[in-house]
Amino acid sequence: DAGVIQSPRHEVTEMGQEVTLRCKPISGHDYLFWYRQTMMRGLELLIYFNNNVPIDDSGMPEDRFSAKMPNASFSTLKIQPSEPRDSAVYFCASSFAGGLFFGSGTQLSVL
Amino acid sequence: GDSVTQMEGPVTLSEEAFLTINCTYTATGYPSLFWYVQYPGEGLQLLLKATKADDKGSNKGFEATYRKETTSFHLEKGSVQVSDSAVYFCALSDEGDVGTSYGKLTFGQGTILTVHP
Repeated sequence: DAGVIQSPRHEVTEMGQEVTLRCKPISGHDYLFWYRQTMMRGLELLIYFNNNVPIDDSGMPEDRFSAKMPNASFSTLKIQPSEPRDSAVYFCASSFAGGLFFGSGTQLSVL
Repeated sequence: GDSVTQMEGPVTLSEEAFLTINCTYTATGYPSLFWYVQYPGEGLQLLLKATKADDKGSNKGFEATYRKETTSFHLEKGSVQVSDSAVYFCALSDEGDVGTSYGKLTFGQGTILTVHP
């Protein structure tokens, strides 16, 4: 298996633009997590899904953030409109029966 | 709420030196405890875990013991290598469900380890 695949690896955008981050979890994994990593706040859980259903989105910072999982093999995290303080590394991770596997992350820079 | 505190970094060691990275936690109930490692440009990888008091997690020469009385989970390795240079994260989960218990995590701030030849 190729592991958790995230795209793009790097994203540079201007304030106010819409940003969409993508994630393909490991096949067969029934949990999917979105984390954000910043120097100031460290790693924070944004939202997680179980069997494609959002379970807990209490970590989503604002209404500008939204996440979907239309099927078991794909999830998106969207920021609209983006702001400079959204600059961070965004990780997707998937889990099944006790093993958590992270993707390589998307480095987002909002200018 | 839950929290994890790691020793301040960065930590710089010579090859074959002994490593300790301290980790203490605050949580309700009886959390599961984890150490993750992050190499440059990569996502986090699970290094070891412990799910109940007095359990010892171990992997690749690294060890950590779940100490409930001191609410600690310190990471140790007897002889570090240059290839161990990375960022190490202590984390906990107080979720009872096995599915979320490994994914809904509270992380420490991370400790940068650099090992010189």
